[in-house]
Amino acid sequence: DVKVTQSSRYLVKRTGEKVFLECVQDMDHENMFWYRQDPGLGLRLIYFSYDVKMKEKGDIPEGYSVSREKKERFSLILESASTNQTSMYLCASSTRVYEQYFGPGTRLTVT
Amino acid sequence: AQKITQTQPGMFVQEKEAVTLDCTYDTSDPSYGLFWYKQPSSGEMIFLIYQGSYDQQNATEGRYSLNFQKARKSANLVISASQLGDSAMYFCAMREHSGNTGKLIFGQGTTLQVKP
Repeated sequence: DVKVTQSSRYLVKRTGEKVFLECVQDMDHENMFWYRQDPGLGLRLIYFSYDVKMKEKGDIPEGYSVSREKKERFSLILESASTNQTSMYLCASSTRVYEQYFGPGTRLTVT
Repeated sequence: AQKITQTQPGMFVQEKEAVTLDCTYDTSDPSYGLFWYKQPSSGEMIFLIYQGSYDQQNATEGRYSLNFQKARKSANLVISASQLGDSAMYFCAMREHSGNTGKLIFGQGTTLQVKP
């Protein structure tokens, strides 16, 4: 079975903190994605990576950065967390042609 | 620009009845794929069904079928014989094949509640 894991299910951080969200997949997928999910807005793409050390901005990259040093791991970084980054964060991976497989999500609260 | 629209924020259906969740899309790419995902209250996204733009027949997976009307740019999900476990949020998504990055664009989602 394809497995995508995320480092935390729930996370509470303070405004201004640096936050790392980790995602690991075990299927040797080329592509990895970070989304945030907010009520009424669906899933919005923050960043994606199509190869190690390669990354591209999605629709809402402001306030975020990413790192992909190894094929199986894709990290999302909030350099200075703000309250408007309180959200559900979903990681996904895929090959180039098939469906995306999602992790369980991290519900981040910034206070 | 590519776009996915789900116009039904919430739907109710009686157990054992069929329900249709609407999805329309917009793209200028002749080659694309359409997906439906289910998200239960636990939060994980579960892949349900896929339809390619060149597929001649509508996709089916068990109780799920995709009513693909290319000229109308619609890709509605039909769930037959609804079960209580079908209560969830459902997302329609599209991938354009040009660029080959596997990027998906998602709709806003439809919350389905199945009544006993």
